[in-house]
Amino acid sequence: GENVEQHPSTLSVQEGDSAVIKCTYSDSASNYFPWYKQELGKRPQLIIDIRSNVGEKKDQRIAVTLNKTAKHFSLHITETQPEDSAVYFCAASGSGANNLFFGTGTRLTVIP
Amino acid sequence: DAGITQSPRHKVTETGTPVTLRCHQTENHRYMYWYRQDPGHGLRLIHYSYGVKDTDKGEVSDGYSVSRSKTEDFLLTLESATSSQTSVYFCAISAGQPNTEAFFGQGTRLTVV
Repeated sequence: GENVEQHPSTLSVQEGDSAVIKCTYSDSASNYFPWYKQELGKRPQLIIDIRSNVGEKKDQRIAVTLNKTAKHFSLHITETQPEDSAVYFCAASGSGANNLFFGTGTRLTVIP
Repeated sequence: DAGITQSPRHKVTETGTPVTLRCHQTENHRYMYWYRQDPGHGLRLIHYSYGVKDTDKGEVSDGYSVSRSKTEDFLLTLESATSSQTSVYFCAISAGQPNTEAFFGQGTRLTVV
């Protein structure tokens, strides 16, 4: 099955700086890569996703890049704000019943 | 938010007792999933369903069973709860077209004492 690794496990940045979270996956058949944000005590919610036919996608301060050859993808958050503080999960899917395989999460803290 | 509801939201149970968690959706989505979330492990798939009466195992299915008798309901049962099953359980739904967004329920915090 798919194996998704995520780094770093914790990340602290100053408000206004950029944050980058990286993930690798093992199954070359995977072709959908979403990112979820989970605030304390809440459910995970999708913030951005990318499909294998695209190398980069941007939505305001958030961007995701995908390198299919190297089997890694990254989340970039620019101009970070305190409300960006949360746990972020990457995931990969592509075979079988649309199953998502998740990374272990990154706890992002934005210091005002 | 997608129409997905989990019940109960919190439960404390004793080792060896059976427990059933319920996931109810109003979106008529084909796929439903049960995940558990533990510190350091992220979200791990327990079981999933791709239609009424169609279910399959995920990566951590031992000790769990599921049933889906209606499109809208997906039940997760711990036949004999153990302390290692203390966790937060999330249900998720997906429309099932290739690679579409999964929506999560609010989660159920289960404590086995």
